[in-house]
Amino acid sequence: SQQGEEDPQALSIQEGENATMNCSYKTSINNLQWYRQNSGRGLVHLILIRSNEREKHSGRLRVTLDTSKKSSSLLITASRAADTASYFCATDGRAAGNKLTFGGGTRVLVKP
Amino acid sequence: DAGVIQSPRHEVTEMGQEVTLRCKPISGHNSLFWYRQTMMRGLELLIYFNNNVPIDDSGMPEDRFSAKMPNASFSTLKIQPSEPRDSAVYFCASSLSGRNGYTFGSGTRLTVV
Repeated sequence: SQQGEEDPQALSIQEGENATMNCSYKTSINNLQWYRQNSGRGLVHLILIRSNEREKHSGRLRVTLDTSKKSSSLLITASRAADTASYFCATDGRAAGNKLTFGGGTRVLVKP
Repeated sequence: DAGVIQSPRHEVTEMGQEVTLRCKPISGHNSLFWYRQTMMRGLELLIYFNNNVPIDDSGMPEDRFSAKMPNASFSTLKIQPSEPRDSAVYFCASSLSGRNGYTFGSGTRLTVV
């Protein structure tokens, strides 16, 4: 079963706009990670946020974590056509035996 | 570092045949993971190793699936006999201690006809 669930499932925006996607999870976590997957490729690690952190930045990426709501968001600012990909959240928690379990992903299309 | 290396990149085989997928993790990483990705079920963890020892194989779907890690630089996932429902992309990933970001290989696209 999937621990994390992303919302929306798909997102279409114009280049230059911001893209926001959300992830909800069910049980306590040690950390939450976001990954990107381009079509036909492997997943690429973007950012990791620990359970005691609330916000983290990396370049044009901003991740928030609200453990009280068991949710996280990924914001991509000033999107580019190259940001077109699927984005996955993954959680690592004791209930999952400390395994990293992935959500179903958000497909993002950035139109030039 | 060349990253996590998987082979073959694509595999087409007939039902009933044995399939072996290979993975070379990043040097120095002590955790290795095998995932399967399908449209219907998304990314599923099949098995993971820590320091070459299998820690959790609860995701392995059936006895037809087996995985080994004979040393720190090599792992195999074997399906015998293969079935059409095994068709998927199989990813190998490695990590330092399993609690940091994972590095994924490019995957093996398996088609069983």
